[in-house]
Amino acid sequence: SQTIHQWPATLVQPVGSPLSLECTVEGTSNPNLYWYRQAAGRGLQLLFYSVGIGQISSEVPQNLSASRPQDRQFILSSKKLLLSDSGFYLCAWSVGLGNTIYFGEGSWLTVV
Amino acid sequence: KNEVEQSPQNLTAQEGEFITINCSYSVGISALHWLQQHPGGGIVSLFMLSSGKKKHGRLIATINIQEKHSSLHITASHPRDSAVYICAVPYSGGGADGLTFGKGTHLIIQP
Repeated sequence: SQTIHQWPATLVQPVGSPLSLECTVEGTSNPNLYWYRQAAGRGLQLLFYSVGIGQISSEVPQNLSASRPQDRQFILSSKKLLLSDSGFYLCAWSVGLGNTIYFGEGSWLTVV
Repeated sequence: KNEVEQSPQNLTAQEGEFITINCSYSVGISALHWLQQHPGGGIVSLFMLSSGKKKHGRLIATINIQEKHSSLHITASHPRDSAVYICAVPYSGGGADGLTFGKGTHLIIQP
């Protein structure tokens, strides 16, 4: 069966520190991978999506970046966090077009 | 970019009541998603539908493609249904470029 793992679940980071959130998918090949963010009091927002290794598309300009070094691995990074980066980050995957999307457990990031 | 409007934003009801949450979108789509987010943040997919109606237990989702509108119904609501319900549609209509989300409906079912 397919599963998705995302970590860490929670983290508190000082302003200006780096960030790395990792997401891995099991049980499927060549998934479409996504990073979403939910800021306090706001809806979910698409940050990045990837349809293949090394292929990253960004929807919102910001100080975050994403990478897909392997087929089922998606990493969200920042070199220097801002206070406004605080929020709930969700990794998700789907296969093909118009199919069910599956979400990871989410990561709570607090930048202090 | 698809725009999603969801209503109501907040809904408090008594146990047993019939619940309806509405969703409208601006661009024709391949499929619409209804999601449930619990207080801890975790999100699960309830339905993905492209036409007609789907039913899962006490949950029913309908969609009218021509009117670009969908509804989520909960019959015989229960306190454990308390959660945020989110409507989501493809970002640009039908591609692999992710979803755009409604702001969610915060549902509280009181015993």
